[in-house]
Amino acid sequence: ETGVTQTPRHLVMGMTNKKSLKCEQHLGHNAMYWYKQSAKKPLELMFVYNFKEQTENNSVPSRFSPECPNSSHLFLHLHTLQPEDSALYLCASSQASLYNSYNEQFFGPGTRLTVL
Amino acid sequence: QQPVQSPQAVILREGEDAVINCSSSKALYSVHWYRQKHGEAPVFLMILLKGGEQKGHEKISASFNEKKQQSSLYLTASQLSYSGTYFCGTERGSGAGSYQLTFGKGTKLSVIP
Repeated sequence: ETGVTQTPRHLVMGMTNKKSLKCEQHLGHNAMYWYKQSAKKPLELMFVYNFKEQTENNSVPSRFSPECPNSSHLFLHLHTLQPEDSALYLCASSQASLYNSYNEQFFGPGTRLTVL
Repeated sequence: QQPVQSPQAVILREGEDAVINCSSSKALYSVHWYRQKHGEAPVFLMILLKGGEQKGHEKISASFNEKKQQSSLYLTASQLSYSGTYFCGTERGSGAGSYQLTFGKGTKLSVIP
């Protein structure tokens, strides 16, 4: 148990569907992340939230929309996805601080997304 | 810029040692190492900071050559449980952490009896 949970664990959706992925961390962290992991590709950082504010958006298509209502919850809203968006979506959290340089990330188990 | 990991894959017998390398073409603030077993989340192993600080599990050792922007992860007396894919994540910058990691493609390690 890593303290980061994700739901659902598996999701199959059509290209016209709207769905949301949920992440919750129970570690008291203040930074949360969304990553995409495709076969034979490295982990790709999608979004970073630091103290509930989005600090990074790595050129992610607008069909992916993140939401961070509080420091414990992170959502990824999905709309009109493409088959190439099929991947494992991982959420992570860390403790961000100006005084502590250690910010190891704790990952959730991921949501396996298949877009038909 | 994505760091380059080598080797891409390695097979070890129990008790053997291995070194996994990670190199970047950009100046780094920190290097993180994670291990991911099939179907599971990546798990933190080690973080090495510019300036020599490091934090990680007792049984894991690693080095960070700031001048060469290279890090190596040392796995000694390997056990079956060491099997998995090892990722390095690099954090650029010269100041406090930016909280952005760029990951390499991973090194698949298989330990056999």
